[in-house]
Amino acid sequence: SQTIHQWPATLVQPVGSPLSLECTVEGTSNPNLYWYRQAAGRGLQLLFYSVGIGQISSEVPQNLSASRPQDRQFILSSKKLLLSDSGFYLCAWSGIGAGEAFFGQGTRLTVV
Amino acid sequence: ELKVEQNPLFLSMQEGKNYTIYCNYSTTSDRLYWYRQDPGKSLESLFVLLSNGAVKQEGRLMASLDTKARLSTLHITAAVHDLSATYFCGSGGGADGLTFGKGTHLIIQP
Repeated sequence: SQTIHQWPATLVQPVGSPLSLECTVEGTSNPNLYWYRQAAGRGLQLLFYSVGIGQISSEVPQNLSASRPQDRQFILSSKKLLLSDSGFYLCAWSGIGAGEAFFGQGTRLTVV
Repeated sequence: ELKVEQNPLFLSMQEGKNYTIYCNYSTTSDRLYWYRQDPGKSLESLFVLLSNGAVKQEGRLMASLDTKARLSTLHITAAVHDLSATYFCGSGGGADGLTFGKGTHLIIQP
């Protein structure tokens, strides 16, 4: 069966510090991968999606970047965090041609 | 641009009552997804609706899809406290990912 791992679960970082969140998927090959953000009390915003190694599409301009160095690994990064980067970050995957997305446990990021 | 609108965004109801959450989407799609989110937790897939007229049921929850009206509903029957959560509908999918509504925050009071 497929599983998705996301870490860390919580993170408190000062403004201006770098960020690296990692997500890995097991039990499937060539998944579509996604990073979503959920601001406090708000809906889900798609940040990045990837259909393959090295292929990243960005939905919104922002202070963040994403990379996919391996088939089942997806990384969310920032060189310098802003207060507005605080939120709940969710990694998700879906199969090729399928729409249903399966989510990791999320990372709660607080920028102070 | 695909837009997904849910209503209501907030719902407080008593146990034993019935209610419906509505999800409208702006472009033609044959796929609609419902998720549940508990406070501080991730999203859990509830229902996958893949065609017009699709109906799925799990316990006290039933979801349906009308692609002609671009409408999906999530019906709650005889609500119980354990169903308190935020419910999201999402449309689209595939490589571009899902577009979600803002979520319906459901509180079920004894």
